Amino acid sequence: QSALTQPASVSGSPGQSITISCTGTSSDVGGYNYVSWYQQHPGKAPKLMIYDVNNRPSGVSNRFSGSKSGTTASLTISGLQAEDEADYYCSSYTSSSTLYVFGTGTKVTVL
Amino acid sequence: EVLLVQSGAEVKKPGESLKISCKDSKYSFTTYWIGWLRQTPGRGLEWMAMIYPGDSHPRYNPSFQGEVTISADKSIGTAYLQWTSLKASDSGMYFCARRGTYASGNWFDSWGQGTLVTVSS
Repeated sequence: QSALTQPASVSGSPGQSITISCTGTSSDVGGYNYVSWYQQHPGKAPKLMIYDVNNRPSGVSNRFSGSKSGTTASLTISGLQAEDEADYYCSSYTSSSTLYVFGTGTKVTVL
Repeated sequence: EVLLVQSGAEVKKPGESLKISCKDSKYSFTTYWIGWLRQTPGRGLEWMAMIYPGDSHPRYNPSFQGEVTISADKSIGTAYLQWTSLKASDSGMYFCARRGTYASGNWFDSWGQGTLVTVSS
C-alpha cells in the first residue's frame, strides 16, 4: 500500500488562502468518504483537523475546510495565520488490509 | 477529553526486547480502539496496529504483523507495543492514538505525546 501523495510544501502570506492536495486511488481516497487531515507542529503529536472528508472536530477553527473529488482530497486553510505554519498530513481508510494509509506530508510556510 | 500518556524515550541495542506503554488517564478505556503509529523521516506516518481493550481484539497492518505485538490491560487503562528482537530499522517516534468513536470512526482524535525509540549498536 503506497502512501498518499501530497505536495512537499505550500506557502502563503497572512490572510491568504491555501489548498493542500492529497491524491490516492480508488481503493482509498476515491472509494470512501473517510479522509482525515492532521496538523503537526515541530516536536508535537499530530492534531486532528478534519474527519470524514469535510467535518471539523469541536474546537478546530472554521478557517479549515476539507473536500474531495474523485481520488483527490483537499484541505483549504483560509485567512492564513502565523500559527498555521506546520506540517499537514492526510489519511484515508483503505480497502487493503493496511486499513489506514497516510499522506507524504506537506510543510506549510506562512511568508 | 481523553489524555494519553506514553512511556519515555528508549535507547536499545539490536536484538534487545522492548515494551512501550500508553496510559489513558481520563476516559473509559474499554469503549474505543487504541492504535499505535510510527513516524520516521524516511517512511513518514504509518498505522501499525490497533486494539479494542474491551476484548483485547487486535488488528495489524500486514507490514508490522509478526514484528510487533499490541496488547492492553483494561484494569489499568494501558495499552502496550512490544518487540522481542529490535532492529535498527525500528528506530522512530511511536504514537498511540484513540480511533474515532462516532460517525465512521476512521480517524485518530486524541494522541499521546510520542515515545522516541532509538536502536543502535
